[in-house]
Amino acid sequence: RKEVEQDPGPFNVPEGATVAFNCTYSNSASQSFFWYRQDCRKEPKLLMSVYSSGNEDGRFTAQLNRASQYISLLIRDSKLSDSATYLCVVLNDYKLSFGAGTTVTVRA
Amino acid sequence: EAGVTQFPSHSVIEKGQTVTLRCDPISGHDNLYWYRRVMGKEIKFLLHFVKESKQDESGMPNNRFLAERTGGTYSTLKVQPAELEDSGVYFCASSHLVGSGGIYSPLHFGNGTRLTVT
Repeated sequence: RKEVEQDPGPFNVPEGATVAFNCTYSNSASQSFFWYRQDCRKEPKLLMSVYSSGNEDGRFTAQLNRASQYISLLIRDSKLSDSATYLCVVLNDYKLSFGAGTTVTVRA
Repeated sequence: EAGVTQFPSHSVIEKGQTVTLRCDPISGHDNLYWYRRVMGKEIKFLLHFVKESKQDESGMPNNRFLAERTGGTYSTLKVQPAELEDSGVYFCASSHLVGSGGIYSPLHFGNGTRLTVT
């Protein structure tokens, strides 16, 4: 079983729509969780950390469910510039484990 | 603040040749990581340095890969001899300890080196 699993998508949504997707992780002792964004042929960039209580950063909301071992990301009022691959990333000690990514395409 | 820089950005070599990738972490970041993404797969951990010491190299695929970080600053990753399956994007990342509680900052990634072995 993979350490981090994500629905690869793609999620094709119109501008202004809300899109949400999850990822699951296998190690119940995982300590920290992140969403990274990766544009085509670019490096992963930190989008936001994910906290147990859930957290928002502008149009982005992240949730963590430790009991069910999943993390979610919700994007409200989608913009064209939100089109990217979103990587679910889990930290165990010092080592990051990456999901394969969820592709989101926002269309005009 | 300068980010993590990697060189070269692209490298095309023939099977059997040697390639050396370089990574300059963010200044002051003791932790340096190498990751790679091969075609169609997720990004996978290769190894982790704390300063000049290899903390964990469990992700290194085989002994054709050699990573060094002399002096605890920049790092090199050498592939010798390269094989076709080594093609992919090699990312370097760095982080630092936040406070005294053993918490690391999120990783900052370099742009990656796209390696093509033909």
